Formats: sequence, C-alpha cells, structure tokens
Amino acid sequence: GAGVSQSPSNKVTEKGKDVELRCDPISGHTALYWYRQSLGQGLEFLIYFQGNSAPDKSGLPSDRFSAERTGGSVSTLTIQRTQQEDSAVYLCASSPGGGTGNTIYFGEGSWLTVV
Amino acid sequence: AQSVTQPDIHITVSEGASLELRCNYSYGATPYLFWYVQSPGQGLQLLLKYFSGDTLVQGIKGFEAEFKRSQSSFNLRKPSVHWSDAAEYFCAVGGNTGFQKLVFGTGTRLLVSP
Repeated sequence: GAGVSQSPSNKVTEKGKDVELRCDPISGHTALYWYRQSLGQGLEFLIYFQGNSAPDKSGLPSDRFSAERTGGSVSTLTIQRTQQEDSAVYLCASSPGGGTGNTIYFGEGSWLTVV
Repeated sequence: AQSVTQPDIHITVSEGASLELRCNYSYGATPYLFWYVQSPGQGLQLLLKYFSGDTLVQGIKGFEAEFKRSQSSFNLRKPSVHWSDAAEYFCAVGGNTGFQKLVFGTGTRLLVSP
C-alpha cells in the first residue's frame, strides 16, 4: 500500500485477554519498528526488525509482549494477559533500510483500551 | 543515555503569528535530530531532520529548525502560523547505533487562535 497500515485501529479488550495488533509496512521497506504512545509518556521504542530478525527488542516492557515478522513484511505485536497499564496507542513504522539516514514512516496506530 | 526535553506542554499562538517550539536533547555523540507532527487520529509525519552540515534545516509546510550544539537544542520555527498547524509536535533524537532508534520527547500541543 501507499503507507504503513495498522489494524485494528481501535480495540477494547478485557483485562487478562490476549490481543494481536497487525502492521503492514510500506512495500519494500526492510526495517520495521513498533512504538507505544501512552498518555503523557511520549513515544517509547518497543522493538526493531530488520527483515524477519529482531536485533533489538530491548523496549518490550515484559515477557507478556512479543512480536514477529514474516516474509520480511507483515508484523504482529502480541500482548498476552493484558493489563490496564497496557492501554495505549501502538504505532508501527517502517523505513527503506535500518541504518540512520533513512526516513521512518509511521502508521496511524492501534488504540488499545484494556477494561 | 539519550533523552529529549520539550519544556512546553501546550502553546497557543494567534493565526499569522510566529512560532517557536523548544527542544533540548542529551546525547553522547553526534545526534541525528527530527521533528514530527501528529494531527488528531493520525500517525506521525516527518517535518524535517538534521544529520550534518548546515545547522539550519528546512522542512515541509514552511517549518525550519536550527541545530545549536552549544545549547543542545533543536528548536522548531515557523514565521506565520496557519490554523491547520494545530497539532502535537514531537522532537526526537537518534544516532549511529546501527539503526534508526529514536528517542522522543513528550510532545508540545500547539493551539492556534483566530
């Protein structure tokens, strides 16, 4: 597609349930990123993929969070046993390459509310 | 560790007036600096970036920013604000860590009054 596509755009889930958030990057972009935007917290880096590998997942807040990327394209962020503090906007981004100097393009985000 | 400070949470500017949004960073090496804008319900759009060279960089929508190493600042400016500029603005810093890992400030919300 023309831009980074994320789904769902909004998700309300009950505490303790698992959720999956999907990201479809710009075609041909090898680098993919997940960020989390919480109210008043700014944007926090979660994980970076280069191709299907994740050289840096240092931002994942706990072992309830995991992500994978298949075929060098679509990525899924999974949150298990959701907690209320997981409520946030999860932003996916991609860039043509992973190195500095590449512009990062963001999707519109998936707004997650845990009740 | 890298960090970015945007000291103004909200700023209100009259339409047609000039704008300056402040950004201070902390980074141990040569920083790569960015400004993004986020309109309600939208993703982040890159306004401009600084990697090296001329310290005054021009971006889209009439924005510019000046890198001042001595002040660890990268303030965003626009000479005449339009109502459509109302949005949230984020400053970010990255570096040569092998990939574009950005650290963002907490954002400044710009309100434009008629």
